[in-house]
Amino acid sequence: EPEVTQTPSHQVTQMGQEVILRCVPISNHLYFYWYRQILGQKVEFLVSFYNNEISEKSEIFDDQFSVERPDGSNFTLKIRSTKLEDSAMYFCASSERVQFFGPGTRLTVL
Amino acid sequence: GNSVTQMEGPVTLSEEAFLTINCTYTATGYPSLFWYVQYPGEGLQLLLKATKADDKGSNKGFEATYRKETTSFHLEKGSVQVSDSAVYFCALRAFFGNEKLTFGTGTRLTIIP
Repeated sequence: EPEVTQTPSHQVTQMGQEVILRCVPISNHLYFYWYRQILGQKVEFLVSFYNNEISEKSEIFDDQFSVERPDGSNFTLKIRSTKLEDSAMYFCASSERVQFFGPGTRLTVL
Repeated sequence: GNSVTQMEGPVTLSEEAFLTINCTYTATGYPSLFWYVQYPGEGLQLLLKATKADDKGSNKGFEATYRKETTSFHLEKGSVQVSDSAVYFCALRAFFGNEKLTFGTGTRLTIIP
């Protein structure tokens, strides 16, 4: 069964460093998303992406965040200068009507 | 804006007990409704969905009915198992098919043998 994959599963970084989280969506899906879940809190929408551009973003998704689909398979989330409060589980999802989620990347900012 | 309110957890039940996890929503138009489940150490998995009023979603013995009159989508299971222990998230999506999901806070369910 096709699935969304994410790498790495866990990323530890120093405050102020750049991180790139990677996702491989399901191959025939055209809509892609990033969500995050701070420990013990609800899952929050960050951004959606379609046809090589952002279709919607939340107020969380400020200038330090960016997304890219650098080739036909990968979908990346970049955080330019990480803050302590960026520590969370980041989920990628892809969709053709129903969203399927990856296993997540746990980002720890020290 | 859209929002989902979910029953506060955690919930602890004995095996074979009846489960209800309440979920109500606020949305304009006619959203689609979902339950996702997150097993320990894993990502979110779609459990069931309903796309219009009075639809019943079902999977793995779980059921939820889309009630427009009460703006609710409560999750039920007649006899829970230890393997059902997980966090359950209610979510909605606006009418147009590929918009973002809005999640509730999640309910942690623990089933004891």
